[in-house]
Amino acid sequence: KAGVTQTPRYLIKTRGQQVTLSCSPISGHRSVSWYQQTPGQGLQFLFEYFSETQRNKGNFPGRFSGRQFSNSRSEMNVSTLELGDSALYLCASSPGGRLNTEAFFGQGTRLTVV
Amino acid sequence: AQSVTQPDIHITVSEGASLELRCNYSYGATPYLFWYVQSPGQGLQLLLKYFSGDTLVQGIKGFEAEFKRSQSSFNLRKPSVHWSDAAEYFCAVGMDSNYQLIWGAGTKLIIKP
Repeated sequence: KAGVTQTPRYLIKTRGQQVTLSCSPISGHRSVSWYQQTPGQGLQFLFEYFSETQRNKGNFPGRFSGRQFSNSRSEMNVSTLELGDSALYLCASSPGGRLNTEAFFGQGTRLTVV
Repeated sequence: AQSVTQPDIHITVSEGASLELRCNYSYGATPYLFWYVQSPGQGLQLLLKYFSGDTLVQGIKGFEAEFKRSQSSFNLRKPSVHWSDAAEYFCAVGMDSNYQLIWGAGTKLIIKP
């Protein structure tokens, strides 16, 4: 079974630009969560989608948005990039969206804003 | 506010020595509790989890963790570490009611030969 796939793996963008990151969950998984990881900060929750519905959103500005498609693939978008948006963005998928099922993580997209 | 504290940013242990990584949480109720490991260049991998029942849980790679409700702690232990255990370890908590995990800042484990 293929794992969680995130594309691209690495990205360099300029301040003010926008970026779209993609996450393909494990086949059959309907829940996708996104996290931002920065050194010393751990992982910060961005949002969670289940069957195309956003069920929760973390404490991030409106420049961060996401969506989920009918095939459970998800994208997140960051507009008007700032230097502080440089981070590893991780996507996790789980079967039914309950936390007592294991979440499987992708390897992440490393975003660098210059 | 809900939070997870991993008080040790780095821990250095000798190969073969025992290990304990600390995790304390602040939450309105008893949440689900998790430990994940992140090796360099690798994704996060679940080591073990606690939902209910026996407070001592066994995980993969010889790890175990003990939930102590009175201390709001969920410490990770291993009796004898191997060089391959060098990685960053994250404690996380969450509830189904809000579909998110709250994470500690991580503890980087360094193994001395």
